[in-house]
Amino acid sequence: ETGVTQTPRHLVMGMTNKKSLKCEQHLGHNAMYWYKQSAKKPLELMFVYNFKEQTENNSVPSRFSPECPNSSHLFLHLHTLQPEDSALYLCASSQDLGTGELFFGEGSRLTVL
Amino acid sequence: QKEVEQNSGPLSVPEGAIASLNCTYSDRVSQSFFWYRQYSGKSPELIMSIYSNGDKEDGRFTAQLNKASQYVSLLIRDSQPSDSATYLCAVNGYSSASKIIFGSGTRLSIRP
Repeated sequence: ETGVTQTPRHLVMGMTNKKSLKCEQHLGHNAMYWYKQSAKKPLELMFVYNFKEQTENNSVPSRFSPECPNSSHLFLHLHTLQPEDSALYLCASSQDLGTGELFFGEGSRLTVL
Repeated sequence: QKEVEQNSGPLSVPEGAIASLNCTYSDRVSQSFFWYRQYSGKSPELIMSIYSNGDKEDGRFTAQLNKASQYVSLLIRDSQPSDSATYLCAVNGYSSASKIIFGSGTRLSIRP
């Protein structure tokens, strides 16, 4: 596989469920990002990891819990979400932190009932 | 004030014409600027990056940067129906190197 892959592509969950989103990059990049994309709103940066260390938490509620076991894998653990958390969650990577040249996965479309 | 502002559109341009997309940003010390294209139902893909004042050309695309005016634009020459997409402007702030801030995007429609 090449590029950035995200699973699952679609997820429906209740407010009391626990689920996880997975991202894997095959580009040898050092930085990975989680973005949230809601309708008619800009991409919102959630978390940034550089060499598997978190460098940015953009005031994200604790019901979202990221995990980065190594530079190639990034997870977003979801717990007791709200309906307004329904959105497209995009994972991205870049060669180095903050280069701005991001490579995005296809996203995970989350619906919270 | 939004950090990165774009006109949401839609911007309708006839095929073969020049499409002009504009973006302003609020962080005066921003250093790097990017244009991403996002087709409906797809993820964003980088099409242009620009770091210094002036123009940068790549095929039918030209990015223009004016740091004094805090303004960056994207010109698409000889517009094609395949250029119909949402174009996202992104800025990398000096104050936080890891923060790449996106505008809300301009929807471009190329009419045959």
